[in-house]
Amino acid sequence: AQTVTQSQPEMSVQEAETVTLSCTYDTSESDYYLFWYKQPPSRQMILVIRQEAYKQQNATENRFSVNFQKAAKSFSLKISDSQLGDAAMYFCAYRSAPGGGGSEKLVFGKGTKLTVNP
Amino acid sequence: GAVVSQHPSWVICKSGTSVKIECRSLDFQATTMFWYRQFPKQSLMLMATSNEGSKATYEQGVEKDKFLINHASLTLSTLTVTSAHPEDSSFYICSARVAGRRDNSPLHFGNGTRLTVT
Repeated sequence: AQTVTQSQPEMSVQEAETVTLSCTYDTSESDYYLFWYKQPPSRQMILVIRQEAYKQQNATENRFSVNFQKAAKSFSLKISDSQLGDAAMYFCAYRSAPGGGGSEKLVFGKGTKLTVNP
Repeated sequence: GAVVSQHPSWVICKSGTSVKIECRSLDFQATTMFWYRQFPKQSLMLMATSNEGSKATYEQGVEKDKFLINHASLTLSTLTVTSAHPEDSSFYICSARVAGRRDNSPLHFGNGTRLTVT
């Protein structure tokens, strides 16, 4: 079974600064997808960024980017120019690719609470 | 697009009663929906995978007779918590994928239901 580990229960960053959230995962599969979701106090799950394992290029979405290291099974999220609205719980998630034999369910890490200080 | 509506957003019920939570995909069809449970300050734990027209697949440790799932149409899945007890109090979140998309398309989440059993 796949597991996702987020080793930082809490992180803080100053507004306008950059912060990196860590995520590692364990799998024997070669093809899969990785996601970062944001959960603000409203509890709504919001997709931040996604990465296909077969792509070597790191995904980028505006101020959000990832550092995907497949061999190390690492998938960190970098938030640049942090804003107050970025404050939330961030969850790293793993999903098997279709046809790979694994379930298509999302497996979540335990989350990192990000605080943005003004 | 890809909106998932979950109802009710919060519910309080007495111990021993049953509660039904609805999850609807408003602008897309979803052959598969997922039901998650989230305890305070914890991650999302998958309870079951709901498949349209067939029986749900429950995760290990989840009582299928207590958490009844019905996925009668391509846009609606329901979770019924039967004979609720205070320990069932939690935040329940549904999610869905667009039918026919066999790629990295993300899950779309409902806003969740906070259940309190008194």
